[in-house]
Amino acid sequence: NAGVTQTPKFRILKIGQSMTLQCTQDMNHNYMYWYRQDPGMGLKLIYYSVGAGITDKGEVPNGYNVSRSTTEDFPLRLELAAPSQTSVYFCASSWGPNQPQHFGDGTRLSIL
Amino acid sequence: QKEVEQNSGPLSVPEGAIASLNCTYSDRGSQSFFWYRQYSGKSPELIMFIYSNGDKEDGRFTAQLNKASQYVSLLIRDSQPSDSATYLCAVQGGFQKLVFGTGTRLLVSP
Repeated sequence: NAGVTQTPKFRILKIGQSMTLQCTQDMNHNYMYWYRQDPGMGLKLIYYSVGAGITDKGEVPNGYNVSRSTTEDFPLRLELAAPSQTSVYFCASSWGPNQPQHFGDGTRLSIL
Repeated sequence: QKEVEQNSGPLSVPEGAIASLNCTYSDRGSQSFFWYRQYSGKSPELIMFIYSNGDKEDGRFTAQLNKASQYVSLLIRDSQPSDSATYLCAVQGGFQKLVFGTGTRLLVSP
């Protein structure tokens, strides 16, 4: 019963590098989300998707891109990594728009 | 005014006591309310959700919602040291938009 799986768990990037954070879910949820959590702060929504082929910006989308080619996968792309993107990134999914969201274990990303 | 406000704590209670965690929100159109528990270095874990005014109980946990006062709370009865964590209040108003508070840190002492 995997739920929401995120890879990698940890990563260190250099300024200007790019990477993709992977997220996959096996619950057949249509809705998927990417959040970032900075120390002492709440979760901020980066991007979300209501189904395959449909994505939209959240509160803090700058510097990130997403795609949703399948129901299961929702990768988050960082282009030209900056120190301000050092954070913990969580992927979540839900059955519907007002339903509980289920979170992956997170990716801890440091940009030096 | 923040959209979802929580006292950052820490809230300290002795083992066996009732812990009361509070959350206020600004969007009167909010429809869904969630409480998540987050242990240090871990991901948020859903504890309770509530959609209607009143109380909802699940084991040692009770969620209380008062939409007129824009207030939602979480009561934890018979608090245990394992309940020590940060509790995040999340409120869903507009379509797809779930807004999180910054969390209240709970410390339960043996």
